[in-house]
Amino acid sequence: NAGVTQTPKFQVLKTGQSMTLQCAQDMNHEYMSWYRQDPGMGLRLIHYSVGAGITDQGEVPNGYNVSRSTTEDFPLRLLSAAPSQTSVYFCASSTPWQGYYGYTFGSGTRLTVV
Amino acid sequence: AQTVTQSQPEMSVQEAETVTLSCTYDTSESDYYLFWYKQPPSRQMILVIRQEAYKQQNATENRFSVNFQKAAKSFSLKISDSQLGDAAMYFCAYRSPYSGGSNYKLTFGKGTLLTVNP
Repeated sequence: NAGVTQTPKFQVLKTGQSMTLQCAQDMNHEYMSWYRQDPGMGLRLIHYSVGAGITDQGEVPNGYNVSRSTTEDFPLRLLSAAPSQTSVYFCASSTPWQGYYGYTFGSGTRLTVV
Repeated sequence: AQTVTQSQPEMSVQEAETVTLSCTYDTSESDYYLFWYKQPPSRQMILVIRQEAYKQQNATENRFSVNFQKAAKSFSLKISDSQLGDAAMYFCAYRSPYSGGSNYKLTFGKGTLLTVNP
């Protein structure tokens, strides 16, 4: 029962560095998404995907890139890290036609950009 | 676009007592799903309770229940017999039931931090 697996759990980056946050799910969920959580802001949607090869932007997409080559994996790339990207990042997945069941979340990645 | 508002940034409750967390939302849709998620210090997002808008009966899960007022667009969470393990950030969330990529997202409120005092 792996669910949604996110790696790494913690990361410190220097301004300008790039990195990829990994997300994998084993539930055959079509829908996958990335959120960022900042104090007093709740969770905000960065990017989402409704299936392999299909991605789209959420509320706060600037500075982030995604791709979906398989149903299982949905990596989030930071192209050139900025201090404003210091946040906790969550990957979440669901089956669209089972909206009543909400999402399954990963355990989050705490990212600090210095 | 839907919005979710949690007007209480912080709440506290004595152990064994009852507390109610508020949530209001704005939508033009007639059917939708509402959720309460719990986020303890471990950071994990845990689904506490859910409600389908077309069901008039309020959802309950053990010590957790909701007061769903569709006309008022209100979805409050009641925690009875509060326990120390209930201390967490609680998020209210909305999801559209309709198809289409942007409809599948969860829209979150900003959260309410619940402290449970022994």
